[in-house]
Amino acid sequence: IAGITQAPTSQILAAGRRMTLRCTQDMRHNAMYWYRQDLGLGLRLIHYSNTAGTTGKGEVPDGYSVSRANTDDFPLTLASAVPSQTSVYFCASSDTYTGELFFGEGSRLTVL
Amino acid sequence: GQNIDQPTEMTATEGAIVQINCTYQTSGFNGLFWYQQHAGEAPTFLSYNVLDGLEEKGRFSSFLSRSKGYSYLLLKELQMKDSASYLCAVRDSNYQLIWGAGTKLIIKP
Repeated sequence: IAGITQAPTSQILAAGRRMTLRCTQDMRHNAMYWYRQDLGLGLRLIHYSNTAGTTGKGEVPDGYSVSRANTDDFPLTLASAVPSQTSVYFCASSDTYTGELFFGEGSRLTVL
Repeated sequence: GQNIDQPTEMTATEGAIVQINCTYQTSGFNGLFWYQQHAGEAPTFLSYNVLDGLEEKGRFSSFLSRSKGYSYLLLKELQMKDSASYLCAVRDSNYQLIWGAGTKLIIKP
């Protein structure tokens, strides 16, 4: 089934540890995004990539990094996790013509 | 700054009609999206408006007035499965999406 796959779906992490959230899409979309979603707040953009080989900072990039080595994969790395990074993380890609976003199922991360 | 406003929570009765409003102030406008998100799940696309007027898609309709910075999502013949959060998002002049915090819709029998 075509779509976006995220891993892991859930993770508990000790503060200070490094963590990479994986995201893979098979729709050949050029643009990909990482959002975090916290209760009472809208989706907030962390980083984005308009095409393979390029990345950009979103609204809340501090403490996160991304890479886009190819069209399909867009991993998000927390270099040294802190409790404020406890959140649900969604990866998404967008159709070039319609702009419609397709989301992965989300990764629930708890930093203790 | 850029801002999207929507009610935090709404309650409606099964079989009825409900209108969820969204007002926006953004740097430019390149379309407005509505997404549905069930608890614990990913958002899914409902509608897209870029011109003024009403777009109808089955039980769901979305309206846009660019001059007023206003949109609404209309849900007819409500079903229990419509209980979800509804997210409004505007694409600004840089083609970045600005998201509202979402409206939690509770459907009662």
